[in-house]
Amino acid sequence: GESVGLHLPTLSVQEGDNSIINCAYSNSASDYFIWYKQESGKGPQFIIDIRSNMDKRQGQRVTVLLNKTVKHLSLQIAATQPGDSAVYFCAENGANAGNNRKLIWGLGTSLAVNP
Amino acid sequence: EAQVTQNPRYLITVTGKKLTVTCSQNMNHEYMSWYRQDPGLGLRQIYYSMNVEVTDKGDVPEGYKVSRKEKRNFPLILESPSPNQTSLYFCASSSGQGVGGYTFGSGTRLTVV
Repeated sequence: GESVGLHLPTLSVQEGDNSIINCAYSNSASDYFIWYKQESGKGPQFIIDIRSNMDKRQGQRVTVLLNKTVKHLSLQIAATQPGDSAVYFCAENGANAGNNRKLIWGLGTSLAVNP
Repeated sequence: EAQVTQNPRYLITVTGKKLTVTCSQNMNHEYMSWYRQDPGLGLRQIYYSMNVEVTDKGDVPEGYKVSRKEKRNFPLILESPSPNQTSLYFCASSSGQGVGGYTFGSGTRLTVV
């Protein structure tokens, strides 16, 4: 079946360190992946996305890596700051979604940044 | 500012009393969707709408209704709320192509007693 999961439910890092959040997916036909950040009391916020024809994409302080061979997705945050503390979700907008652009969500990883 | 606006942010109601959670977006997005978020279960889609007058069920539609009479509005209706519908609800919208992800509202915390 389709699923998007996470290796680590919680991650604690020191301010200034790099963070890596991992995600596994099971639908090999998926062609679009998104990372969201959800701060306490707020809705999920788009961070970065990547299509399956790419293996790396960079944004401001964030990099997403896609390994289709092992169906693995990761989000790297450089120089992690206290404001990065949040729950991070990966989501899959699979090729089988048809007309419904339903996102298949992972359960989230909580990132805690220690000052 | 481009945004999705949900109201109310918090609501406590009693079993069986009909309620509506409103959702409005100002980005002229075609696609809108409702999710509920529960601990340990993540985000689950309730209903979605591809465009005006086009709606369909998501993964957990039981006990909910929606309508899409205008492009900007997508209200979620609970005809007879029950305690198992206590949850955090999010409305989201995206452009027709879906690229760039969805824009989410700030959420509605619903408690049914």
